[in-house]
Amino acid sequence: EAGVVQSPRYKIIEKKQPVAFWCNPISGHNTLYWYRQNLGQGPELLIRYENEEAVDDSQLPKDRFSAERLKGVDSTLKIQPAELGDSAVYLCASSSPGLAGARGETQYFGPGTRLLVL
Amino acid sequence: GNSVTQMEGPVTLSEEAFLTINCTYTATGYPSLFWYVQYPGEGLQLLLKATKADDKGSNKGFEATYRKETTSFHLEKGSVQVSDSAVYFCALTQAGTALIFGKGTTLSVSS
Repeated sequence: EAGVVQSPRYKIIEKKQPVAFWCNPISGHNTLYWYRQNLGQGPELLIRYENEEAVDDSQLPKDRFSAERLKGVDSTLKIQPAELGDSAVYLCASSSPGLAGARGETQYFGPGTRLLVL
Repeated sequence: GNSVTQMEGPVTLSEEAFLTINCTYTATGYPSLFWYVQYPGEGLQLLLKATKADDKGSNKGFEATYRKETTSFHLEKGSVQVSDSAVYFCALTQAGTALIFGKGTTLSVSS
């Protein structure tokens, strides 16, 4: 079974430029997450989708960040314009309630996109 | 709000030494607890998990027990290997919400 796929793996841009990240979750996983991981820190949630609905976007900086999951499968996260402080690793994860239900579900992470803003 | 605190690293050990990485949490209700590992150049991988008090998660020789009375989920391994060198993250979630991570602990094992 294929894992969570993300692209690109690395991106270097100048500040004020736009950038987009793509994620394809594990097949059948209806919950998709975008996290941001700053250097030396744990990941922090940006947005969570249940199918195509964004159910938690409270931590998403909406003035410059946007995300979509139009068909409830793959997702795109966009930053426009990028700032120096956006340099980080952007992680996508997916999950699906199993027999344990939502309580025990495991989130599976992709390899991440490492963004460097110059 | 919910939070996770784990011991700061780096932790430097010789091969075959005993490992403990402390993790404590603050949460309302009954969270599920996880340890994720991030090997150099790779993504986060689930190492083990526990979903209720007194559960013990185990994998690859690592163990952690969900202790509600001390709100802890310490990671242990009896004999570490060089290949265990990685960053270890303790995390919690409640009812399928996003994971809340600690800051991570870097483990370096030398032969």
